Amino acid sequence: GAVVSQHPSWVICKSGTSVKIECRSLDFQATTMFWYRQFPKQSLMLMATSNEGSKATYEQGVEKDKFLINHASLTLSTLTVTSAHPEDSSFYICSATTGASSYEQYFGPGTRLTVT
Amino acid sequence: KQEVTQIPAALSVPEGENLVLNCSFTDSAIYNLQWFRQDPGKGLTSLLLIQSSQREQTSGRLNASLDKSSGRSTLYIAASQPGDSATYLCAVKGNTPLVFGKGTRLSVIA
Repeated sequence: GAVVSQHPSWVICKSGTSVKIECRSLDFQATTMFWYRQFPKQSLMLMATSNEGSKATYEQGVEKDKFLINHASLTLSTLTVTSAHPEDSSFYICSATTGASSYEQYFGPGTRLTVT
Repeated sequence: KQEVTQIPAALSVPEGENLVLNCSFTDSAIYNLQWFRQDPGKGLTSLLLIQSSQREQTSGRLNASLDKSSGRSTLYIAASQPGDSATYLCAVKGNTPLVFGKGTRLSVIA
């Protein structure tokens, strides 16, 4: 099956610093990648959708200048949390799709971000 | 806007029981519906994916059904085991990325 990896799996950073999270599709080309956020005991909420080579589309309420998304290739998307604050602490999960007719989304293992 | 609801929010059963988790969605124009399992602090494990043209999918002790016209899906778990304890998420794919329900937190007591 299609495999999606994320790096790092967890990260602790100080308030005010920036953190980059990588999402890679290992054995397929991902035409579209998605970034979700999950707060404790909550469900996954879509943050943004990105297509290779174009600007990401952000969901309402998600600050595009704070959460920078770059989909530089068909196998890599990055999410950078800029000027992180404790309220940005969350579980970030990426997902990718091949664009095939099954419309199946494949998920990475997630990145736990803690901002101190 | 698609909304996905899961009932119950939490469920505790003794080992060996058969159980049903429910999922409903508001917009029946979907491509597929997927059930995931999530262990505490972990990512998602895909359990079953049902395409819109299908009525059900089975994998081992799991059976998922889909009634697209009524906007409902059920996940049936047979002969539950303590290892089944986790949060089960239902997600629907339409013209938007997957939309998730809030999940059902299942505890199977030995």
